[in-house]
Amino acid sequence: DTGVSQDPRHKITKRGQNVTFRCDPISEHNRLYWYRQTLGQGPEFLTYFQNEAQLEKSRLLSDRFSAERPKGSFSTLEIQRTEQGDSAMYLCASSKNSNTGELFFGEGSRLTVL
Amino acid sequence: AQRVTQPEKLLSVFKGAPVELKCNYSYSGSPELFWYVQYSRQRLQLLLRHISRESIKGFTADLNKGETSFHLKKPFAQEEDSAMYYCALTPSGSRLTFGEGTQLTVNP
Repeated sequence: DTGVSQDPRHKITKRGQNVTFRCDPISEHNRLYWYRQTLGQGPEFLTYFQNEAQLEKSRLLSDRFSAERPKGSFSTLEIQRTEQGDSAMYLCASSKNSNTGELFFGEGSRLTVL
Repeated sequence: AQRVTQPEKLLSVFKGAPVELKCNYSYSGSPELFWYVQYSRQRLQLLLRHISRESIKGFTADLNKGETSFHLKKPFAQEEDSAMYYCALTPSGSRLTFGEGTQLTVNP
C-alpha cells in the first residue's frame, strides 16, 4: 500500500500525559496536512507543511500542540499535557505541490483521553 | 474567513430516486469547491472538484456563485452511494475548509 500511513491507529491515554502521532505521506508529495475530527463534525485544519517548512497553523493549535516534519518526509504531531477535549481523530493528508486541492488522507489516529 | 455549511446531517432516499446534497459557502473571493466522500471503513477521498466540471460515479455539482452554493446531485441513487459526504473549499489551493458532512443512506 503506497497511501498515507498513520501510527498508531488508536491511542488511549490518561489526562496529563503526552502523546505523539506519526504520519508517512505518499513519497512524492511535498505537502503534508494535519486535521482533527470530532464526532459529528467535519475535519478541522490544524497545520500544514511544504517540504520541511510549516507554512500555516490554525489557532486551534494551542501551545500544547507541536508538529514537525524535519526532513520533509514523515511528520509527527505531539500533544503535551493531554486534556479530555483533545479526544478526537487526528487525520493526516498529503498532496503534490500543484494547488489542485486534492488531498490524500490517511486512516487517522484515534485519541481517547481518560 | 471562509465557512462551509451542509444543512442536512442525515439524508435518506430509496434506490433509484434522485438525490441532492446541499452545500452553501461563505467566502469573499472566488474559492475552489470540492466534494469529498468517506465510505464505510474507508479513507476520506476526493469525489469531484468544480473546476473539472466532471461527473464522477454519476454525481455532478454546479457552482452557483450568486447563491454561493455547490450542491451535489445524482439522478438515480444506488445503494453503494451510501456514505458520508463532505463539501470543502479552498481559497488558494492549499488548506481545505470542510463542512460538517451529510450521511447519505440509500435504501433498497
